Amino acid sequence: DGGITQSPKYLFRKEGQNVTLSCEQNLNHDAMYWYRQDPGQGLRLIYYSQIVNDFQKGDIAEGYSVSREKKESFPLTVTSAQKNPTAFYLCASSTPAGGGEAFFGQGTRLTVV
Amino acid sequence: RKEVEQDPGPFNVPEGATVAFNCTYSNSASQSFFWYRQDCRKEPKLLMSVYSSGNEDGRFTAQLNRASQYISLLIRDSKLSDSATYLCVVNQGGSYIPTFGRGTSLIVHP
Repeated sequence: DGGITQSPKYLFRKEGQNVTLSCEQNLNHDAMYWYRQDPGQGLRLIYYSQIVNDFQKGDIAEGYSVSREKKESFPLTVTSAQKNPTAFYLCASSTPAGGGEAFFGQGTRLTVV
Repeated sequence: RKEVEQDPGPFNVPEGATVAFNCTYSNSASQSFFWYRQDCRKEPKLLMSVYSSGNEDGRFTAQLNRASQYISLLIRDSKLSDSATYLCVVNQGGSYIPTFGRGTSLIVHP
């Protein structure tokens, strides 16, 4: 079955550590996105990539980094520079065909301990 | 002004009620529009796309008003299982970057 896989589902990080969240898709979508969701809030765009080896900052990119070396993969690193990293992180992909419907992974819930 | 705005609610309605949500968007060049449903602590899932001519899927009807830059979602005969957060999504211009509203919470009670 085609879809998006995020791992891990839950992640605990000590202050000062970098952590990397995995996102893999087999939908053959060119575009991939990372969003952050805080309790009671909507989704805010962190980074997006519309083609391999290219990515752009979203609205809240500070303290995060990404790479897009393969079409299928778009990992997100939460660095120690991100002062409030505890949140629900969602990865999505889309293609212009069909108007750009976004497909989501199951999310990673990151907690700083 | 936020790009996509929704009333966060909550909308608290009895079973069988009809409820409507609106969403406004600021970018007149927006190309495509969707409603997603998100259950607590889960990922958003597509409920329906919104077409210029409007579309209906069972108890759900979505409409687009380009002149006034808003989309709507109507739910008829509400069920307990409809309780969730409903997210309005607008794809911006030629880049198709999905931009989300903060969501509207619906609670359907017996």
